[in-house]
Amino acid sequence: KAGVTQTPRYLIKTRGQQVTLSCSPISGHRSVSWYQQTPGQGLQFLFEYFSETQRNKGNFPGRFSGRQFSNSRSEMNVSTLELGDSALYLCATSQGRTAQETQYFGPGTRLLVL
Amino acid sequence: GEDVEQSLFLSVREGDSSVINCTYTDSSSTYLYWYKQEPGAGLQLLTYIFSNMDMKQDQRLTVLLNKKDKHLSLRIADTQTGDSAIYFCAERGGGADGLTFGKGTHLIIQP
Repeated sequence: KAGVTQTPRYLIKTRGQQVTLSCSPISGHRSVSWYQQTPGQGLQFLFEYFSETQRNKGNFPGRFSGRQFSNSRSEMNVSTLELGDSALYLCATSQGRTAQETQYFGPGTRLLVL
Repeated sequence: GEDVEQSLFLSVREGDSSVINCTYTDSSSTYLYWYKQEPGAGLQLLTYIFSNMDMKQDQRLTVLLNKKDKHLSLRIADTQTGDSAIYFCAERGGGADGLTFGKGTHLIIQP
């Protein structure tokens, strides 16, 4: 089975711009979760999508949003970028049948905001 | 809210065993995980343990869980230079709001 893929791998944006990141899950996985990793805050949960619906959400402002398509691929959008949004954004996927399933991570998208 | 704590650094000699410790606060945790992150890479799932288990062994990896003390450890036998990475402890509590991670332990291997 192919693993979780994320595109693009690297991005450079400037403050005020918006960005869209993509995550393609392992075949058969219907749940996609997004995490932000920064040196200061570590890994923090953004949100989870299952069957095209947001199922859970972490404590991030409304500038962070996402969606999921019928093929389970997910996109994450950040609007009005701030310097502090510079981070590694990771997505993790699972089958989604139970909340306790193991999550498998992609390689991440590294975003730099200038 | 839930919290997961780990030491930031661990230095061991090549060939020795490494023991990485983690404590957590969420008593409703049902699964606890160990992930490995190499420089510039995503997270690789190493192993996990269900909360009704005390120990799980997988080749060079041994996970010990003390549910009473909410303490989790990962032992890597015969540590090699390729084990040099950041190791994250994570738990998923009774709610379904994603994994809660520790800040990660940098494992440094001395020749």
